[in-house]
Amino acid sequence: SAVISQKPSRDICQRGTSLTIQCQVDSQVTMMFWYRQQPGQSLTLIATANQGSEATYESGFVIDKFPISRPNLTFSTLTVSNMSPEDSSIYLCSASGPNTEAFFGQGTRLTVV
Amino acid sequence: GENVEQHPSTLSVQEGDSAVIKCTYSDSASNYFPWYKQELGKGPQLIIDIRSNVGEKKDQRIAVTLNKTAKHFSLHITETQPEDSAVYFCAANSGAGSYQLTFGKGTKLSVIP
Repeated sequence: SAVISQKPSRDICQRGTSLTIQCQVDSQVTMMFWYRQQPGQSLTLIATANQGSEATYESGFVIDKFPISRPNLTFSTLTVSNMSPEDSSIYLCSASGPNTEAFFGQGTRLTVV
Repeated sequence: GENVEQHPSTLSVQEGDSAVIKCTYSDSASNYFPWYKQELGKGPQLIIDIRSNVGEKKDQRIAVTLNKTAKHFSLHITETQPEDSAVYFCAANSGAGSYQLTFGKGTKLSVIP
């Protein structure tokens, strides 16, 4: 299984600022994804991070708010831009290998004040 | 798109008893069904998965069954232990061979010593 390192693990940010979350995988993976998880809720897919091209966003999520980069097969970043208290959530990075199994990082717990 | 329903939302069992969590999916093209365990403050951990070419899979105290005709799959935990207490999520991929997962809403399992 892939080991996924995500940082920061938590942060408290002022509204109007931006936070960039990093995700590093210990092996080459086929796909990388970013999810949001509200407290006590399920996982909602934000976007698929595509290597070397623009991410593919799900309905309700836009690039201006959640810009994503994936410069190589093992690294991706998610930025939460112009934050408001409604952005307070857990953000999770996921990676899938060639056999479809998906593994998750520990998550970034974001609080916007 | 794929829709995954999960029941029950909460489940309490006595230590040593069995626990069963059930999920249904909507897309008959889905062919990969993983289960995740999420402990407080951690990312989801893949505990078992099943593909559509098999009907059952076991790993020690954990088993998953799949009924393709009825489009439902279940997680069975036998001889439950307090450390099994967590939130469990089922998921289904969005069509044959897809890496994108749709998650159920989760089941909070409490094992009472």
